[in-house]
Amino acid sequence: IAGITQAPTSQILAAGRRMTLRCTQDMRHNAMYWYRQDLGLGLRLIHYSNTAGTTGKGEVPDGYSVSRANTDDFPLTLASAVPSQTSVYFCASSDSSGGAPGELFFGEGSRLTVL
Amino acid sequence: AQKVTQAQTEISVVEKEDVTLDCVYETRDTTYYLFWYKQPPSGELVFLIRRNSFDEQNEISGRYSWNFQKSTSSFNFTITASQVVDSAVYFCALSEANFNKFYFGSGTKLNVKP
Repeated sequence: IAGITQAPTSQILAAGRRMTLRCTQDMRHNAMYWYRQDLGLGLRLIHYSNTAGTTGKGEVPDGYSVSRANTDDFPLTLASAVPSQTSVYFCASSDSSGGAPGELFFGEGSRLTVL
Repeated sequence: AQKVTQAQTEISVVEKEDVTLDCVYETRDTTYYLFWYKQPPSGELVFLIRRNSFDEQNEISGRYSWNFQKSTSSFNFTITASQVVDSAVYFCALSEANFNKFYFGSGTKLNVKP
């Protein structure tokens, strides 16, 4: 089934550890995004990428990094995790190649707990 | 300033009641897109509708309808004859002309009781 695959689905992590959340899409969408979802705050954009080879900062980029080596993969890395990064992380993609933003397709989320 | 405001944190209704979820947005762009997404208790995010800033016609899809008013910067969502399966968190989102970013509201949790 076409869509977005995130891994892991859930992870408990010690503070200070490095962690990479993986995201792969098979829809050949040009744009990809990482959001975090926290209670009462909705979905906040961490980083985005319009095309392979380019990335940009969202609303809450500090403590996170991304790369977009190819169209399909968009990993999110926490270099040194802190408890405030405990959240549910959603990867998403959209097709904006036609000049208008397509709908966002979301992965199932990765629940990360930093102790 | 928040680009998308959903002032209603949580709403509870009884089945078959109509309910309206409010969404107010802020942008200086003349070209922008508005979206609604549903997040049921299972956690996935489901696309409901996309509307561009040049189309102010209201839209109806079954029991769902959307009222877009540029004069008040609002894009409200009404569910007619609500059902228990409508229980979810609903998010309104805005994408501006650069198309790079989608800004989400904080969501409205809808509880539909039998």
